[in-house]
Amino acid sequence: DAEITQSPRHKITETGRQVTLACHQTWNHNNMFWYRQDLGHGLRLIHYSYGVQDTNKGEVSDGYSVSRSNTEDLPLTLESAASSQTSVYFCASSESTSGGQETQYFGPGTRLLVL
Amino acid sequence: GIQVEQSPPDLILQEGANSTLRCNFSDSVNNLQWFHQNPWGQLINLFYIPSGTKQNGRLSATTVATERYSLLYISSSQTTDSGVYFCAVEGQNQGGKLIFGQGTELSVKP
Repeated sequence: DAEITQSPRHKITETGRQVTLACHQTWNHNNMFWYRQDLGHGLRLIHYSYGVQDTNKGEVSDGYSVSRSNTEDLPLTLESAASSQTSVYFCASSESTSGGQETQYFGPGTRLLVL
Repeated sequence: GIQVEQSPPDLILQEGANSTLRCNFSDSVNNLQWFHQNPWGQLINLFYIPSGTKQNGRLSATTVATERYSLLYISSSQTTDSGVYFCAVEGQNQGGKLIFGQGTELSVKP
C-alpha cells in the first residue's frame, strides 16, 4: 500500500545544531508540504513543493529550508535549531489534477525538542 | 488570508450520543477536508468535501459552499471517536495549501 513516512519520529537536539527531518511518500504525488503543530496555533504551513526542483515558502518558513531532488522525498532542514522550533512536524502530500487539488495525506509526525 | 473558525472548541459526550461540529470559513474555497487527530497524534482523513454531502459509516459531512460553512456529524459516538477534529480549507488559487482551524476537542465517555 502507498504511504507517507517520517523519520525520526522523535528527536532531541541542542540549540544551534542543524537538524534534518525526513519525509518519504510512495503515492507518487507531485505536491508535498511541511506543517508544524503548536498548542494554540493549530497546524501552520512551513514549506511546500509542487514537483522536483520546486520549493516555496509557507506561512512560517524562517529558519527552515527544503529541497526536492526526486518525487518521493522532501527533507526539512532546521539550519540552526532554536527553542522556538520545538514542535510537532507533519509532512503531507497530494496529487494535483486539471480540476484542482485533491485530498492531502499526512505522515505520522515528528516530535522535535530543542534544548 | 482566509480565516477558518471551528465550534465548539471542546465537547464532552456520553457514549452513544450524537454531535455536530461546525466549520466556518471567510472566503470561497477549492478544497475542504475534515481530519481526526487521534490521541497518538496521527492525522486521519475523514472527508474531502468542498461541497455537497458525504457519509462514511457513523460519520457524515455537509459543506454549503455558498454560505461558507461545513458540518461534521458524528452519530452513536464511541470512545474511539475521542480526539481533535480539524477542518482545513484551501482558498481559490492557493495551490493546495491548507489553512487549518483550531480544532474541536472531543471526549467521549463510556
